[in-house]
Amino acid sequence: DIQMTQSPSSLSASVGDRVTITCRASRDISSSLAWYQQKPEKAPKSLIYAASTLESGVPSRFSGSGSGTDFTLTISSLQPEDFATYYCQQHSAYPLTFGGGTKLEIK
Amino acid sequence: EVQLVESGGGLGQPGGSLRLSCVASGFTFSSYTMNWVRQAPGKGLEWISCISSSGSTTHYADSVKGRFTISRDNAKNSLSLQMDSLRAEDTAVYYCARDKYGYSSTDYWGQGTLVTVSS
Repeated sequence: DIQMTQSPSSLSASVGDRVTITCRASRDISSSLAWYQQKPEKAPKSLIYAASTLESGVPSRFSGSGSGTDFTLTISSLQPEDFATYYCQQHSAYPLTFGGGTKLEIK
Repeated sequence: EVQLVESGGGLGQPGGSLRLSCVASGFTFSSYTMNWVRQAPGKGLEWISCISSSGSTTHYADSVKGRFTISRDNAKNSLSLQMDSLRAEDTAVYYCARDKYGYSSTDYWGQGTLVTVSS
């Protein structure tokens, strides 16, 4: 199985900050990487697929990059509604696997 | 509008069975691979199973292989998860999620249904 390692596991930041979350795959997954946002007691929301393609309706302050084994999610200017937990997921091979999550909190 | 509505959660006994359902609307259900993803209380997301659009191909996580069975009824726009030999570690919110067409990521999720396994 492909292991996904996210860092950091938690992050404190302020509104307006630029933040970056990283995700590393245990083997080459090309660009088959998705990012999700989850708020407490809510279902996850898809943000990005294929490493860098934004889902329809996702604000342009979100961006994804990377290929192979190393990926990043960047939020260019944090908004109050962005404080949530973020997960990466490889969609290269079954079983699909998620990273452990990054909890983004208000500083 | 795409909607996925899960049902069937509740209290299950260790070693017992539960059946989850997910009814889809707002898209051509028969054209999409569908998934089940779960989340134990306070924990991260775990993909557990998917089924191809026709139902001919299924995949499972090792944690549920041989105990859970995914199925679908395209005539009823319905996805199911038969959960047998339940264990305490199966306690989680179970989400039904649609595959993004042409990829294996998921683009729409249901609201989830809670399964608690306890005696």
